[in-house]
Amino acid sequence: DGGITQSPKYLFRKEGQNVTLSCEQNLNHDAMYWYRQDPGQGLRLIYYSQIVNDFQKGDIAEGYSVSREKKESFPLTVTSAQKNPTAFYLCATAGGTSGPSSYNEQFFGPGTRLTVL
Amino acid sequence: AQSVTQLDSHVSVSEGTPVLLRCNYSSSYSPSLFWYVQHPNKGLQLLLKYTSAATLVKGINGFEAEFKKSETSFHLTKPSAHMSDAAEYFCVVSDPQGGGADGLTFGKGTHLIIQP
Repeated sequence: DGGITQSPKYLFRKEGQNVTLSCEQNLNHDAMYWYRQDPGQGLRLIYYSQIVNDFQKGDIAEGYSVSREKKESFPLTVTSAQKNPTAFYLCATAGGTSGPSSYNEQFFGPGTRLTVL
Repeated sequence: AQSVTQLDSHVSVSEGTPVLLRCNYSSSYSPSLFWYVQHPNKGLQLLLKYTSAATLVKGINGFEAEFKKSETSFHLTKPSAHMSDAAEYFCVVSDPQGGGADGLTFGKGTHLIIQP
């Protein structure tokens, strides 16, 4: 986990609410990623960012939004449009500047477990 | 397009016996391959990686994996299981010229159970 902080560890949301998950890193990595993990499905990419003020949709971006105003921070907002948000959310980082597909190793934060009540 | 198949969703072994977690991949180019481990409610930790150097890769905690291009496999092994090895293991392929938004494809995971 070292160098990547995710908060809160557990988060509960009522239906119709937006919630924001925090991810902060002090690894000086250029790229940051958000994944969603559901039991038996591995990790699925939500959004990623290669550089400040720029981000790209991943495979399951609908119902989520992100911002990258600082290199160290990549918050994820789960909006009310996400119909099934209960999951474990993982933030990751990687170094390099030539595009996320060329970053071989990703470093993961400890995760946030989101539950919809 | 690239893909990863972890052949077993669950593997159960006795403490002190060998561990084998199987992974097959498909990729159009020369991929990089990784194994990550995840303990309950934790993030993923890198065990080892193959990046076109030696085909036998040694990782942390006594794990190793062998890249076999002819079999498109990257199986993870450990000679003697320890109770602390109980976790979820993910095989990952990185193909910079392949499909996917970020070139990384995760397997669905293998849950390793260690019997005392």
